[in-house]
Amino acid sequence: DGGITQSPKYLFRKEGQNVTLSCEQNLNHDAMYWYRQDPGQGLRLIYYSQIVNDFQKGDIAEGYSVSREKKESFPLTVTSAQKNPTAFYLCASSKGVNTEAFFGQGTRLTVV
Amino acid sequence: AQKITQTQPGMFVQEKEAVTLDCTYDTSDQSYGLFWYKQPSSGEMIFLIYQGSYDEQNATEGRYSLNFQKARKSANLVISASQLGDSAMYFCAMRDRVSSARQLTFGSGTQLTVLP
Repeated sequence: DGGITQSPKYLFRKEGQNVTLSCEQNLNHDAMYWYRQDPGQGLRLIYYSQIVNDFQKGDIAEGYSVSREKKESFPLTVTSAQKNPTAFYLCASSKGVNTEAFFGQGTRLTVV
Repeated sequence: AQKITQTQPGMFVQEKEAVTLDCTYDTSDQSYGLFWYKQPSSGEMIFLIYQGSYDEQNATEGRYSLNFQKARKSANLVISASQLGDSAMYFCAMRDRVSSARQLTFGSGTQLTVLP
């Protein structure tokens, strides 16, 4: 079935470590997005990519990095520079500007 | 200024009754899209309904309808005949040409609880 797969579902990170969250889609969508969600709040955009080998910072990009080497994949790295990384991370993709975004199941990252 | 405002942090509704979740938005663009998503406790975001700014008819999808009042800049979600499975967080979102990458901008959400 077509969709977006995020892994892992739960991730624990020690202080000072970098971790990478995986996001893969088989919907043939050009645009992909990473959002962060804190408890009781809405989603905030971290990074987005509209085509392969191109990506742009969103509203809260500091402490994060991404790559887009393939259309299907848009991994997010949470670096040690991110001071408060504990959150729920959602990856999304969309076909066009006037269509809905499809979301993955999310990754819950906890710093221990 | 906040682009999407959801003023109801929590709502309760009796099973089988209808409920309206409020959403107001702010944009200077004439062309934009409004979306509603449902987020159950599992965390996934489920797309419910879409309304384009030029659509003259209010969008409907099964038990969901969107009460679009363009002049008031409101896009309220109406859920008819509520079911226990409707208990979830509901987010209103907007996409316009002003936003970077035509990203979805989300409101803070409304937690809906359906009572048996």
